[in-house]
Amino acid sequence: ETGVTQSPTHLIKTRGQQVTLRCSSQSGHNTVSWYQQALGQGPQFIFQYYREEENGRGNFPPRFSGLQFPNYSSELNVNALELDDSALYLCASSLDDTDTQYFGPGTRLTVL
Amino acid sequence: GDSVTQMEGPVTLSEEAFLTINCTYTATGYPSLFWYVQYPGEGLQLLLKATKADDKGSNKGFEATYRKETTSFHLEKGSVQVSDSAVYFCALSGWGYQKVTFGTGTKLQVIP
Repeated sequence: ETGVTQSPTHLIKTRGQQVTLRCSSQSGHNTVSWYQQALGQGPQFIFQYYREEENGRGNFPPRFSGLQFPNYSSELNVNALELDDSALYLCASSLDDTDTQYFGPGTRLTVL
Repeated sequence: GDSVTQMEGPVTLSEEAFLTINCTYTATGYPSLFWYVQYPGEGLQLLLKATKADDKGSNKGFEATYRKETTSFHLEKGSVQVSDSAVYFCALSGWGYQKVTFGTGTKLQVIP
């Protein structure tokens, strides 16, 4: 069984730019969730996708958007980057929206 | 809304000492409870979970019991090792689309 993978590992962007982060879920997992973890804090829920449809969203603005693909991969897109978007972004996959979530290693985004 | 409160760190223990990290929660209904561990520079790993009252989750010598009457899920280990040094997150998953709500994390440092 392969784990959850994310790319890239690290990324540096400037304010106002756009970024796309990628996640590959465990095979057979129909649900992917994205979290933002600021330094020294616990992860905060951004949104969840189930079978390619958004299935719930946390308190994040619309410039945070996502996609989920049939091949168990997904993307997190962030437009108009702000300095406060600097964080570790984690994706987590699960069999369905009622199952335990398993996390990837994260992408460290730095916005200058 | 759902929330998790865990003891602040850092917690510094000598090797073979007894560990307790306190965690209490607020949630509607009957959440599932989790402990995740994050080693330096890595993502989150599921350590243990409990899905109903009085369940005991256990893994790698760590234990936690779901106490509905006190809304608690304290993490314990009888004898810690240097390799247990990490940040520990208490979390819950409520009814519905299974968004995971995390505490702020407790950093554990075990010294030889």
